[in-house]
Amino acid sequence: NAGVTQTPKFRVLKTGQSMTLLCAQDMNHEYMYWYRQDPGMGLRLIHYSVGEGTTAKGEVPDGYNVSRLKKQNFLLGLESAAPSQTSVYFCAPYKWQGGTDTQYFGPGTRLTVL
Amino acid sequence: GNSVTQMEGPVTLSEEAFLTINCTYTATGYPSLFWYVQYPGEGLQLLLKATKADDKGSNKGFEATYRKETTSFHLEKGSVQVSDSAVYFCALSDYGDNAGNMLTFGGGTRLMVKP
Repeated sequence: NAGVTQTPKFRVLKTGQSMTLLCAQDMNHEYMYWYRQDPGMGLRLIHYSVGEGTTAKGEVPDGYNVSRLKKQNFLLGLESAAPSQTSVYFCAPYKWQGGTDTQYFGPGTRLTVL
Repeated sequence: GNSVTQMEGPVTLSEEAFLTINCTYTATGYPSLFWYVQYPGEGLQLLLKATKADDKGSNKGFEATYRKETTSFHLEKGSVQVSDSAVYFCALSDYGDNAGNMLTFGGGTRLMVKP
């Protein structure tokens, strides 16, 4: 997980509250992804970005928004949290260069919505 | 769309036993296949991968062969250790639509190895 940090590590919200999860990487990776992990369902892609200033929807985007204003940061926002958003969130930077690729996963943010 | 199915766990083995975790996939095109491992309280780490049919990925005694005819990528290890206890995820990526490495994961299989 070197070079990828996620803030915060843990958070408890009440239904309807908002928050922003921050992913920061110092590896100059072009692509960044947000996944959520739920028991028995593996990881599912929420949103992703193919470069600074770009974002796109993944498999489960509803209830989330993202921004990539700077290449090194990818923010995931919950405008009005719901209990169904209780999950562990992973940021995953990726780089393809010179015929090889590297994929990292951050340490995760555990979010509980009451 | 793409999908990955892997055997449900938990799988409980004694140390030095043989391990197989089954994984099958559905995909358009020619995906790359991966096994990721997640140790308690940590993020995911790439264990091994294969990028084309009949390729064998291997790492730390684990192996998996990309079988296009059976759309499978089963994970095997000849002799497991207590330290292998973790959750294992099978995944695929078709690198499509200029989206980079957009992964589709299976549900995960928890492995517990007893001394």
